[in-house]
Amino acid sequence: DSGVTQTPKHLITATGQRVTLRCSPRSGDLSVYWYQQSLDQGLQFLIQYYNGEERAKGNILERFSAQQFPDLHSELNLSSLELGDSALYFCASSVGQETYGYTFGSGTRLTVV
Amino acid sequence: QKEVEQDPGPLSVPEGAIVSLNCTYSNSAFQYFMWYRQYSRKGPELLMYTYSSGNKEDGRFTAQVDKSSKYISLFIRDSQPSDSATYLCAMNRGKLIFGQGTELSVKP
Repeated sequence: DSGVTQTPKHLITATGQRVTLRCSPRSGDLSVYWYQQSLDQGLQFLIQYYNGEERAKGNILERFSAQQFPDLHSELNLSSLELGDSALYFCASSVGQETYGYTFGSGTRLTVV
Repeated sequence: QKEVEQDPGPLSVPEGAIVSLNCTYSNSAFQYFMWYRQYSRKGPELLMYTYSSGNKEDGRFTAQVDKSSKYISLFIRDSQPSDSATYLCAMNRGKLIFGQGTELSVKP
């Protein structure tokens, strides 16, 4: 157990729907990062939050949004889902804003049918 | 061209072999270089990180960074079946940029 908790582990939904993925960072970590992993694209950075504020944005689609709450857990919202959104979504956390030493959760496998 | 290039493999070796995994990169601003290991259906876990050029050793694992060639390597000595996993290199640019990952299989 890495200490980063992601729920749900699996999600199957239809095209056009909206889902919310949840992440609880490791105790003491203030930064949360979201990554998407697909077979053809590898691990792609989506977005970073630090202590409730958005710090960096990557290749995140406009249909996707995220936030980090005062208790530091984070949610990734995916809307108007398309078949191509099927992937593993990982959350990672770190103590500060340093860019090494991320701890990853075990991911949410999203299947859009 | 991707910022970080990594041969996806798959790579299959016999138990006990020395494994060499490599990545090349294009951005000379990268300073931290990391190797993550990912078992099937699990999240990546940090194996080693190196700051700037040089070598770092941890047990059977050695990480090398050659900034002049923009090339990093991970060597695994006396490979074990339990080393079978996907190995991802990563580098920092405000956030971590990952290579595609190399799938390694160590056969008993």
